Amino acid sequence: AQSVSQHNHHVILSEAASLELGCNYSYGGTVNLFWYVQYPGQHLQLLLKYFSGDPLVKGIKGFEAEFIKSKFSFNLRKPSVQWSDTAEYFCAVNINQAGTALIFGKGTTLSVSS
Amino acid sequence: ETGVTQSPTHLIKTRGQQVTLRCSSQSGHNTVSWYQQALGQGPQFIFQYYREEENGRGNFPPRFSGLQFPNYSSELNVNALELDDSALYLCASSTTSTPTTEAFFGQGTRLTVV
Repeated sequence: AQSVSQHNHHVILSEAASLELGCNYSYGGTVNLFWYVQYPGQHLQLLLKYFSGDPLVKGIKGFEAEFIKSKFSFNLRKPSVQWSDTAEYFCAVNINQAGTALIFGKGTTLSVSS
Repeated sequence: ETGVTQSPTHLIKTRGQQVTLRCSSQSGHNTVSWYQQALGQGPQFIFQYYREEENGRGNFPPRFSGLQFPNYSSELNVNALELDDSALYLCASSTTSTPTTEAFFGQGTRLTVV
């Protein structure tokens, strides 16, 4: 069965530090890749997505992610985090045969101290 | 705000009872998906409805059922509630059922089974 692994359960950073959250998936076919964010008390919202083309995708709020097909990875990065980036981050995968169904990782909680 | 609203926000049910959760999709969206998010886990796909027909289902037993209405709002019904059904239930709507379509999530219904 397809699955998504997020390596870090909880990441604690100081403001201005760089961020990289790992995400690996297990599926050998074509995938669509997403990162969602959930700020405290708010709904899940899309940060960025990759369907095809340039494997380096840019999203909102200065986030970017790189798709490395050979490593089945889609890591999320931000060069300099802010206190307002404190949230839970979910990596998700969709396979083309499954409609809009998303397979989520367990999530990574990011805490940024000012 | 995504325009996806769920009701109720919280409820408590007794084991063995039945529950109905409701979702009003964003205007112009004809596809609704439901997810179960247990504590400390990522959302798990339950099923998807497209134009009133179920067109995708995750690994959930038949006691999880749903409906989509002509106005594209949706219900999730769970029969014979078990303690493990305690979770946050998320509804997501999208403009189509194709895999590359962004899903917009509601804030969820927190179900507690006692």
